[in-house]
Amino acid sequence: DAKTTQPPSMDCAEGRAANLPCNHSTISGNEYVYWYRQIHSQGPQYIIHGLKNNETNEMASLIITEDRKSSTLILPHATLRDTAVYYCIVRVGEGADGLTFGKGTHLIIQP
Amino acid sequence: NAGVTQTPKFRVLKTGQSMTLLCAQDMNHEYMYWYRQDPGMGLRLIHYSVGEGTTAKGEVPDGYNVSRLKKQNFLLGLESAAPSQTSVYFCASSYAGGSNQPQHFGDGTRLSIL
Repeated sequence: DAKTTQPPSMDCAEGRAANLPCNHSTISGNEYVYWYRQIHSQGPQYIIHGLKNNETNEMASLIITEDRKSSTLILPHATLRDTAVYYCIVRVGEGADGLTFGKGTHLIIQP
Repeated sequence: NAGVTQTPKFRVLKTGQSMTLLCAQDMNHEYMYWYRQDPGMGLRLIHYSVGEGTTAKGEVPDGYNVSRLKKQNFLLGLESAAPSQTSVYFCASSYAGGSNQPQHFGDGTRLSIL
């Protein structure tokens, strides 16, 4: 699986959009980009994933650049409960695969 | 919306004791996984199952056994607990395998081996 690079930490004001970047310059054509988050003492929570097109669900939007070498997770109206470590993962393969989480971005929402 | 439920949430064992961790999912998912998470190590896959009655080894299977007798349940057993197995254990499930199938996690079991 391709390696991802994320900033170690970010701050965002409550009510504003939080934009979390991820670089995956070695991504291959059949690798999906996934975002998970982990709130302290809880299990990893799936947020969104995509291959080429931008994606949106009730939690967030995922913007993937045309060359697919980077992506941005957007939380449109951040709340204090969005404070968590956010992980960007790229996945390829058939069958069962173990997810590999890097160090992620610690997003802190400021009141 | 229960999703993936793990029991117990916390447990303290003595070295050599045995126990079983239970994972239950109500999403009719075929695939189920057991991970452990240790500080500085990230998630590591212990065992997984691709359907009822099947199990397979992951990255760190030694010292653990698993069973999938029912589609909705995946059990992780420690036959003789060791201090090195002190960890947070997460169960996950997915509808199917492959990179277009997100895994959904439970809230974990925090296990301490004294």
